[in-house]
Amino acid sequence: KAGVTQTPRYLIKTRGQQVTLSCSPISGHRSVSWYQQTPGQGLQFLFEYFSETQRNKGNFPGRFSGRQFSNSRSEMNVSTLELGDSALYLCASSFGGAGEQFFGPGTRLTVL
Amino acid sequence: KQEVTQIPAALSVPEGENLVLNCSFTDSAIYNLQWFRQDPGKGLTSLLLIQSSQREQTSGRLNASLDKSSGRSTLYIAASQPGDSATYLCAANTNAGKSTFGDGTTLTVKP
Repeated sequence: KAGVTQTPRYLIKTRGQQVTLSCSPISGHRSVSWYQQTPGQGLQFLFEYFSETQRNKGNFPGRFSGRQFSNSRSEMNVSTLELGDSALYLCASSFGGAGEQFFGPGTRLTVL
Repeated sequence: KQEVTQIPAALSVPEGENLVLNCSFTDSAIYNLQWFRQDPGKGLTSLLLIQSSQREQTSGRLNASLDKSSGRSTLYIAASQPGDSATYLCAANTNAGKSTFGDGTTLTVKP
């Protein structure tokens, strides 16, 4: 069974630009969660989608948004990038949201 | 608001030692608790999942316990090996798809 995949693996952007990250969950999983990981803040929850609906949202500004498609693939968008957005962005999938979570390899975003 | 604390932040042991990593959480109303390992620059690998109704789970040399009433979980690693060197994270899942993570314990196993 294929694992969670994330694309791209690495991104370099400049301040003010926007970026879209993609996550493909394990086949059959309907829940996708997104996390931001930085050395100073650790792993922080961004949002969770289940069957194309956002069910939970963390404490991030509105510049961070996401969506989920009918095939459960999810995208995360960050607009007006700031230096502090540099981080490893991880997505995780699970069957129903409260089950075991499986993480992808992450997208390393660097904002210059 | 759920808060998760992991102690110690770092641990260095000689190969072959048994060790215990600690995780505490403030809200006992969890669905489950999950332990992960993370290698530098990589994603998280799931090690063990303990449902809220369970007391422990075992996988190979790993054993995780859960005490909801006291808000604690431990990860026991038997006969540690250099390949076990990584950061270990625990996550308390209290709501659908939302996990609160600790800051992790960075383990170094010296040959």
